[in-house]
Amino acid sequence: GQNIDQPTEMTATEGAIVQINCTYQTSGFNGLFWYQQHAGEAPTFLSYNVLDGLEEKGRFSSFLSRSKGYSYLLLKELQMKDSASYLCAVMDSNYQLIWGAGTKLIIKP
Amino acid sequence: ETGVTQTPRHLVMGMTNKKSLKCEQHLGHNAMYWYKQSAKKPLELMFVYNFKEQTENNSVPSRFSPECPNSSHLFLHLHTLQPEDSALYLCASSPAVAGGHVDTQYFGPGTRLTVL
Repeated sequence: GQNIDQPTEMTATEGAIVQINCTYQTSGFNGLFWYQQHAGEAPTFLSYNVLDGLEEKGRFSSFLSRSKGYSYLLLKELQMKDSASYLCAVMDSNYQLIWGAGTKLIIKP
Repeated sequence: ETGVTQTPRHLVMGMTNKKSLKCEQHLGHNAMYWYKQSAKKPLELMFVYNFKEQTENNSVPSRFSPECPNSSHLFLHLHTLQPEDSALYLCASSPAVAGGHVDTQYFGPGTRLTVL
């Protein structure tokens, strides 16, 4: 079967750095997405990785290792507004998105 | 604002009611999706429409009935639902569903549905 694993909840301090991990086992691989979802709002696109390595976008970076079936989202200089759920999703060989259950990130002052 | 709107934002209905959820996208996309999001569970894909044609129906019970009159509008008709159908229903759109092509999906804010 297809499976995406990510931690259920993480807590971090304002101004710090946090890394949210995602491991996957899917039928084929056509890229990995990260989305951010604030409570009661739409998931919004953060990043897409299809090749190994680190993609940096401002305070957010996303890393992919296809051989390990592993990705992480790195958030730097955390702000209170970064409190949200972060969803990992893999596009399989049928170009269908397989979703993780999301990681709820709590930022404390 | 993602360019995808959903109405209503909240809906409470009894098990014998009939209601409809509406989704509209202003992005010029050709593919639209319905997802169910339950607490602490992965997003569940329900239906996919590509150029107004239904291309996916992931074993969704017949009490959920989708309708896509054009590429900008998507409806989910609900009837005789069960309490376990209570969830957040998300609509998304993408440029198109095509083999060999990866598209980013853009989501609406969802309808929070409670079935009593």
